[in-house]
Amino acid sequence: DARVTQTPRHKVTEMGQEVTMRCQPILGHNTVFWYRQTMMQGLELLAYFRNRAPLDDSGMPKDRFSAEMPDATLATLKIQPSEPRDSAVYFCASGLLRGDTQYFGPGTRLTVL
Amino acid sequence: AQSVTQPDIHITVSEGASLELRCNYSYGATPYLFWYVQSPGQGLQLLLKYFSGDTLVQGIKGFEAEFKRSQSSFNLRKPSVHWSDAAEYFCAVVMDTGRRALTFGSGTRLQVQP
Repeated sequence: DARVTQTPRHKVTEMGQEVTMRCQPILGHNTVFWYRQTMMQGLELLAYFRNRAPLDDSGMPKDRFSAEMPDATLATLKIQPSEPRDSAVYFCASGLLRGDTQYFGPGTRLTVL
Repeated sequence: AQSVTQPDIHITVSEGASLELRCNYSYGATPYLFWYVQSPGQGLQLLLKYFSGDTLVQGIKGFEAEFKRSQSSFNLRKPSVHWSDAAEYFCAVVMDTGRRALTFGSGTRLQVQP
């Protein structure tokens, strides 16, 4: 049963620290998305990759967030420096270009103190 | 502006009762439509999707949804709710088929009474 995996599942850090979240998409999927879920904003898109190339990162605060896909099996989302307002659940999802269905990972719950 | 609306923030139903969760979208063309379910502390699981064709789609766990173009709606239904259906339900659309990113509604939290 192929699944999207995310690490870590939980992260507690102090303001100003660097945070790196990792995602392993389903093997063979060529689109990867990062979403953030908060009580106030709900689920919102942060970044979108197709065939490892970033296509849309308009949802990310550019000064502190960065997203990359160093290879087809790994996507990373980095926050530097982190702030309390970054506290949220970060979801990674993957899919096929022609499939339009996105499969979500379990999420990383980030708490910035 | 393009948007997805789930007008019911919280719904409570009795076990065995029928369920309908509402979803409306605002978009010039017919988007791709999805319903996802999220249990506490979990990720999102796809219940069903509509791309084209038959406007009544069947999903997992006994759920179905009907696309009504005239009402810009994609309501989720289940004839008999089980206690395990208690969760948060999200309607989502792909507004721009070239872009593929999901736009989510704000979610409806379902509580099931015994």
